[in-house]
Amino acid sequence: DTEVTQTPKHLVMGMTNKKSLKCEQHMGHRAMYWYKQKAKKPPELMFVYSYEKLSINESVPSRFSPECPNSSLLNLHLHALQPEDSALYLCASSQDSRQHTGELFFGEGSRLTVL
Amino acid sequence: AQTVTQSQPEMSVQEAETVTLSCTYDTSENNYYLFWYKQPPSRQMILVIRQEAYKQQNATENRFSVNFQKAAKSFSLKISDSQLGDTAMYFCAFMKPPVNSKLTFGKGITLSVRP
Repeated sequence: DTEVTQTPKHLVMGMTNKKSLKCEQHMGHRAMYWYKQKAKKPPELMFVYSYEKLSINESVPSRFSPECPNSSLLNLHLHALQPEDSALYLCASSQDSRQHTGELFFGEGSRLTVL
Repeated sequence: AQTVTQSQPEMSVQEAETVTLSCTYDTSENNYYLFWYKQPPSRQMILVIRQEAYKQQNATENRFSVNFQKAAKSFSLKISDSQLGDTAMYFCAFMKPPVNSKLTFGKGITLSVRP
């Protein structure tokens, strides 16, 4: 299994809603990432988890709250978002070992629209 | 801080022809990884090819090869025998050790393969 699965694929929410994005991988990877991508732009790193611990937070606003319940799952909790937060949210995973090649495996993304 | 520059926003190539995508980067590091990622219109980003800076030999993966010039900080991607399925956005990316650190992307280039 070489997939990173993200749900939902599409999400529309109001600025007062609370929702969550979910990501799952079964490749035994111990590092997981959230990226935000606007149309025709490169992905922007938001968070990195290594061995279920948050290792990088790229100064993301607190209305985005990541959670890593176990080594296979990564969530992104959303609350009080703004219309400018509308984007494609990509999850990725990678090995975390001496054999790490640097390659990230990406999911297809969750397309978020904030009204 | 590292920067990755892709100065060509768009390119077009005839099917079966060869095309080269340019990338330059800036870093003071001596050991690092370079990548080309492909993101087709279906959105999922996949790794095309990777290069470790300490390796002088240029990486090759089937129809894809790189021209890595470390002194010039240049990392171009050559696609031979272009296929319609190569139509995608291509991102050049940089990562410095330790593993699971930030992947710095260039702005990307949209490649269209014409039938």
